Amino acid sequence: DGGITQSPKYLFRKEGQNVTLSCEQNLNHDAMYWYRQDPGQGLRLIYYSQIVNDFQKGDIAEGYSVSREKKESFPLTVTSAQKNPTAFYLCASTPDRDKYQPQHFGDGTRLSIL
Amino acid sequence: AQSVTQPDIHITVSEGASLELRCNYSYGATPYLFWYVQSPGQGLQLLLKYFSGDTLVQGIKGFEAEFKRSQSSFNLRKPSVHWSDAAEYFCAVGAGTGRRALTFGSGTRLQVQP
Repeated sequence: DGGITQSPKYLFRKEGQNVTLSCEQNLNHDAMYWYRQDPGQGLRLIYYSQIVNDFQKGDIAEGYSVSREKKESFPLTVTSAQKNPTAFYLCASTPDRDKYQPQHFGDGTRLSIL
Repeated sequence: AQSVTQPDIHITVSEGASLELRCNYSYGATPYLFWYVQSPGQGLQLLLKYFSGDTLVQGIKGFEAEFKRSQSSFNLRKPSVHWSDAAEYFCAVGAGTGRRALTFGSGTRLQVQP
């Protein structure tokens, strides 16, 4: 079955460390998104990519970086510049980059600080 | 920019009772509207969507939602709640040009009493 796979499910970061969250999709979707979820705040957009080798900042991009070298992969790096990284991170995708469509979500990665 | 308000942070209903979750959006034209459900530690699952046409839309798991332009609302309803409906529910809006990411409300947590 097609879907989005996020790994790892749980991740721990030490002070000053960069960590990378994986997001892979086999849906052949053009667009991919990263959201951060904090209790009581819903989902906030970190970065999005509408096509390979291109990505754009979302609303809370500071302290994060991404790449989109392959259509199926959109990894997110949480850098040491992100001072409050503890959150639930969700990756999503949509088939077309130029339409509003339902987003398909992975099962998320929970990041905590050691 | 568009915004989404879910006024109820937490709702408790008895099993078998009816349910209505409120969602209001702020946008000049008719946006694309979505309802998602999230179980603890999981990603989001699409319940239903509204793009155009009939203002009463049916979704999965017995849910429906009604788009009311005059009230800028898209409330989610279910006639008889089951214990398995306990989860967090998010309303989302897609509107405007440019990026196609959705704007999410802060969520409503539903608790179901036996």
